[in-house]
Amino acid sequence: EPEVTQTPSHQVTQMGQEVILRCVPISNHLYFYWYRQILGQKVEFLVSFYNNEISEKSEIFDDQFSVERPDGSNFTLKIRSTKLEDSAMYFCASSVPGQGQQYFGPGTRLTVT
Amino acid sequence: DQQVKQNSPSLSVQEGRISILNCDYTNSMFDYFLWYKKYPAEGPTFLISISSIKDKNEDGRFTVFLNKSAKHLSLHIVPSQPGDSAVYFCAASSGSSNTGKLIFGQGTTLQVKP
Repeated sequence: EPEVTQTPSHQVTQMGQEVILRCVPISNHLYFYWYRQILGQKVEFLVSFYNNEISEKSEIFDDQFSVERPDGSNFTLKIRSTKLEDSAMYFCASSVPGQGQQYFGPGTRLTVT
Repeated sequence: DQQVKQNSPSLSVQEGRISILNCDYTNSMFDYFLWYKKYPAEGPTFLISISSIKDKNEDGRFTVFLNKSAKHLSLHIVPSQPGDSAVYFCAASSGSSNTGKLIFGQGTTLQVKP
């Protein structure tokens, strides 16, 4: 069964450093998403991406964040200058148009020290 | 901004009995609701969904009920199995959002005892 994959599974970085989290969505999906879950809190929407552009972003997704689909398979989330409060699980998800459910990857645990 | 609320952080049931997980929402624009299950160190896994034009949807052991007037939905698992032990998230989306972003509740940890 096709699945969303994410790399790395765990990323440790120092405050102020740039990180890139990578995702490979399910191949025939056209909508792509990033969510995050800070430890002990709910899963929060960050951004959605369709047709090579951001279609919606949350207040969390400020100028420090960017997304890109550099080729036909990868979908990345970049945090330009990480802060301690960026420490969280980051989940990538994808879906097909007209289908409400989104399929999530296993997540990347980002630890900012 | 608690648009989707799961007021019970945990639930414990005996194997074979029914598990009922509850979820409340405040945004009347929500028209599609989903339940996800999450194991530690894994991403949320889609379980079942319901559109606001229905009040019930069933898939095997899982049934979701929607009460629009009360802005309440519930997930019934019958019979419960030890493998069902996980965190269950309720999520909602609005057709007015052209991206289908999901708004999640805080989750309920279900423990099914053998």
